[in-house]
Amino acid sequence: DAGVIQSPRHEVTEMGQEVTLRCKPISGHDYLFWYRQTMMRGLELLIYFNNNVPIDDSGMPEDRFSAKMPNASFSTLKIQPSEPRDSAVYFCASRGGPLVYTFGSGTRLTVV
Amino acid sequence: EDQVTQSPEALRLQEGESSSLNCSYTVSGLRGLFWYRQDPGKGPEFLFTLYSAGEEKEKERLKATLTKKESFLHITAPKPEDSATYLCAVHANFGNEKLTFGTGTRLTIIP
Repeated sequence: DAGVIQSPRHEVTEMGQEVTLRCKPISGHDYLFWYRQTMMRGLELLIYFNNNVPIDDSGMPEDRFSAKMPNASFSTLKIQPSEPRDSAVYFCASRGGPLVYTFGSGTRLTVV
Repeated sequence: EDQVTQSPEALRLQEGESSSLNCSYTVSGLRGLFWYRQDPGKGPEFLFTLYSAGEEKEKERLKATLTKKESFLHITAPKPEDSATYLCAVHANFGNEKLTFGTGTRLTIIP
């Protein structure tokens, strides 16, 4: 099993540009989570899906953030327009069995 | 609101010097408490899940314990390869599937 796959690993973009982060969960996992990690706030949940349906998006900071899961093997997190304060590491995680969460390697986003 | 506080923020130990990391939590009802290890540039890697007070789990030089208010990660005779950030997270009772994380303890083992 290749685990949770995220792309790109690093993204540098200019303020105001659109950014799209991608995630492929582990096959058979029915939950998918997007987290953001910063030095100040640690890991924070942005949104999670169950069977491709968004369940809780209360952690999405602003309307500039949106997430989709068009099928069981793919999810995107989009920021439009991006701002310097969005700079962070974004993690995707999936869950199959009871309370077993597997994280991807993350996307390090830098907005200049 | 669920809260997780980890201490210390950073810890430097000599190789072989045993110690403990603390995770204090406040949650409406605990489904599970998790310990993860995170290496630089990587995602969190699962170590343990504890479900009820009094439970203990071990893996190599690590042992995790749980009470009704806190969890400890004991590290015995650590080696340099144990250097990492250790994260604690809680999963509250049914109704929401999110994990709430602490900010972690950065552990450095000096050869």
